[in-house]
Amino acid sequence: GAVVSQHPSWVICKSGTSVKIECRSLDFQATTMFWYRQFPKQSLMLMATSNEGSKATYEQGVEKDKFLINHASLTLSTLTVTSAHPEDSSFYICSAGTGATGELFFGEGSRLTVL
Amino acid sequence: AQSVTQPDIHITVSEGASLELRCNYSYGATPYLFWYVQSPGQGLQLLLKYFSGDTLVQGIKGFEAEFKRSQSSFNLRKPSVHWSDAAEYFCAVGRRGSGTYKYIFGTGTRLKVLA
Repeated sequence: GAVVSQHPSWVICKSGTSVKIECRSLDFQATTMFWYRQFPKQSLMLMATSNEGSKATYEQGVEKDKFLINHASLTLSTLTVTSAHPEDSSFYICSAGTGATGELFFGEGSRLTVL
Repeated sequence: AQSVTQPDIHITVSEGASLELRCNYSYGATPYLFWYVQSPGQGLQLLLKYFSGDTLVQGIKGFEAEFKRSQSSFNLRKPSVHWSDAAEYFCAVGRRGSGTYKYIFGTGTRLKVLA
């Protein structure tokens, strides 16, 4: 099956710094990628939809200036958490699909801890 | 609005016992339905999916699910649970929008398996 990889798996940063998380589709071209956030023991909350070559579409309540998404190629989307604060600490998961079918493929997740 | 409900937040079963995890959805059209499993600190693993056709779907690890349109349900079953099945289980519905598919996740059911 299709493989989606995230990097880094774990990141710890100081408050006020910015952190970039990468999501790559390893063996297919992803026209669309999605970013989710998951709080401990909770479900996945869709943050934004990233389309290759265009601006991301953010879900209601998600700060687009805080969570910058770039989908510059068909195999890479990045999520940058700007001026991170402790409340941004969470598990971030990306998924990717080709658009040809309804199936999405999920990355392993990236755990962000802001001190 | 589309939604996914997993009525059971926690379920505990004995090893070897049968399992059924409930999932109900609200969606205007024929949905794409999925079950994922997540171990602590890990990403999502697809157990099975329903797009169309046979309403009884077989998945990995001995799991199956049945799509019942009249009940708007997609319950996950396993005849004999193993200790390694202890994890968080998420039901999701895929909905089409702007040429892509968005997934809406249920709140999850945490499975505990007693030895």
